[in-house]
Amino acid sequence: ETGVTQTPRHLVMGMTNKKSLKCEQHLGHNAMYWYKQSAKKPLELMFVYNFKEQTENNSVPSRFSPECPNSSHLFLHLHTLQPEDSALYLCASSQEGATNEKLFFGSGTQLSVL
Amino acid sequence: DAKTTQPPSMDCAEGRAANLPCNHSTISGNEYVYWYRQIHSQGPQYIIHGLKNNETNEMASLIITEDRKSSTLILPHATLRDTAVYYCIVKTDKLIFGTGTRLQVFP
Repeated sequence: ETGVTQTPRHLVMGMTNKKSLKCEQHLGHNAMYWYKQSAKKPLELMFVYNFKEQTENNSVPSRFSPECPNSSHLFLHLHTLQPEDSALYLCASSQEGATNEKLFFGSGTQLSVL
Repeated sequence: DAKTTQPPSMDCAEGRAANLPCNHSTISGNEYVYWYRQIHSQGPQYIIHGLKNNETNEMASLIITEDRKSSTLILPHATLRDTAVYYCIVKTDKLIFGTGTRLQVFP
């Protein structure tokens, strides 16, 4: 148990569906992240939120829409996805600015787009 | 781009020490070396990090060369549950993961 919980664990959706991924951290951290991991590729940083404000967007297509209502919750809203968006989506949190800043990851959502 | 180079795969016998190398020849003076591992279909897990000095915790030891251009992660007594992909990362303002080393521990 890392203190970061992601739901759902698995998700299958069609290209015309709208779905949301949820992440919650119980660690009191001030920063949250979305990473994407496609098959046999390194993790790609998608979005960074610090104190609920988005501080990084790594050229992610607009069909991915993040939302951070507070420091403990992070969502990734999905709409009109493509089959190539099938991947493991990982949420992480950290205490940004800490001397020994470490990322704590959730178990991820395995997404399949049909 | 990742600032580290790691072998793509390694094998280790159960109970033996696993020594995972990492080259980071372009590391800057204030950049930390972090190690994470990822067991199949799970999120990465923090292992250890260091700046200049060698570090040890309950999971592993980290040996950093004096010139800081390379480091070695040591798992002193590898178990089957240590089979995972191990990532060596030079932390700038964020963590950028490379392809890592796939460690296979065999009985």
